[in-house]
Amino acid sequence: EPEVTQTPSHQVTQMGQEVILRCVPISNHLYFYWYRQILGQKVEFLVSFYNNEISEKSEIFDDQFSVERPDGSNFTLKIRSTKLEDSAMYFCASRPTGTGEAFFGQGTRLTVV
Amino acid sequence: QKEVEQNSGPLSVPEGAIASLNCTYSDRGSQSFFWYRQYSGKSPELIMSIYSNGDKEDGRFTAQLNKASQYVSLLIRDSQPSDSATYLCAGLPSYNFNKFYFGSGTKLNVKP
Repeated sequence: EPEVTQTPSHQVTQMGQEVILRCVPISNHLYFYWYRQILGQKVEFLVSFYNNEISEKSEIFDDQFSVERPDGSNFTLKIRSTKLEDSAMYFCASRPTGTGEAFFGQGTRLTVV
Repeated sequence: QKEVEQNSGPLSVPEGAIASLNCTYSDRGSQSFFWYRQYSGKSPELIMSIYSNGDKEDGRFTAQLNKASQYVSLLIRDSQPSDSATYLCAGLPSYNFNKFYFGSGTKLNVKP
């Protein structure tokens, strides 16, 4: 069964460093999302992406963050100058046209030390 | 402000019982709703979607949507210990497919 895959599963980085989280959405899906979940808190929307551009972003998604679809399969989230409060699980999701059903990857646990 | 509200629980039910999970939403423009199951430390897993008023059944799961009262529910029949997880309700407005609104989730404990 097709699935969204994310790498790495766990990333530890020093405060101030840049990280890139990678996602391979399901192949025939056209809508992509990044969400994050701080430990013990709710799933928070970061950004949605369609037709090679950002379709919506939250107030969390400031200049520190960027997304890119560098090729036909990968979808990346870059976090510049990481802060301690960026520590969270980051989830990528994708969905096809014609349905609202979004499927999540297994997540990347980002720990900023 | 579009919100999806859930009781955080925990909801405890004995094995074999029916678990009833509820969600209310504030945005009347939300037309599509989804239930996700999330085990501790794992990602949300889609288990049900519902788009119209009434009930939708899939195996042991039944989703219910009442747009007039703005609530969504999930019934789990013959609950199993493996159903113990946090259940997330999510809404998607018909006028904006760019953003799902998640509730904070209800933790379900099924006791053997």
